[in-house]
Amino acid sequence: AQSVAQPEDQVNVAEGNPLTVKCTYSVSGNPYLFWYVQYPNRGLQFLLKYITGDNLVKGSYGFEAEFNKSQTSFHLKKPSALVSDSALYFCAVRLPLLGSARQLTFGSGTQLTVLP
Amino acid sequence: DSGVTQTPKHLITATGQRVTLRCSPRSGDLSVYWYQQSLDQGLQFLIQYYNGEERAKGNILERFSAQQFPDLHSELNLSSLELGDSALYFCASSGGAGEGETQYFGPGTRLLVL
Repeated sequence: AQSVAQPEDQVNVAEGNPLTVKCTYSVSGNPYLFWYVQYPNRGLQFLLKYITGDNLVKGSYGFEAEFNKSQTSFHLKKPSALVSDSALYFCAVRLPLLGSARQLTFGSGTQLTVLP
Repeated sequence: DSGVTQTPKHLITATGQRVTLRCSPRSGDLSVYWYQQSLDQGLQFLIQYYNGEERAKGNILERFSAQQFPDLHSELNLSSLELGDSALYFCASSGGAGEGETQYFGPGTRLLVL
């Protein structure tokens, strides 16, 4: 069974500092990996995804993520955090099987707080 | 704005009742997914429809059912509601044909069962 883990429930970072939100996965095969962000009382917004190719993926709002197959990780990063980045971040995984169901399996979420 | 709409935004009902949540996917998207977000279970996949047909089932209770109509909108029916069904229910949509497609989420329906 596929699974994804976000080992940190909470990450605090000062505004202007780099931020990292960690994600590791456990799947057989080559996964598709996603990051979503959820602001209070809002739906999930897509940030970026890794399908294949370059291990460094750039997404919305200056976020990027690095796919590391040997460490089975897909950490979300941003060089300089903004207070407005404070939100709940979810990592998700899906297996790339043609014709299969395409549901996402989500991690437990990481609450990012950027301190002014 | 993702282009996925969900109604109603909020729903308050009593135990034992039945409710229907509605989702309209992005224009052109054939797949619709339903997810439940609760404090104790996190974000869980419930069910997927593709072009009117059920494609996959997750941890969906037998009291819950869904369908996708010819115009591609979907409804999630929750019956014999229990207190534990209180949660945020999300609908997402994707094109449904390509690999690695992104799921775009609606704003959710917050259900409170009293």
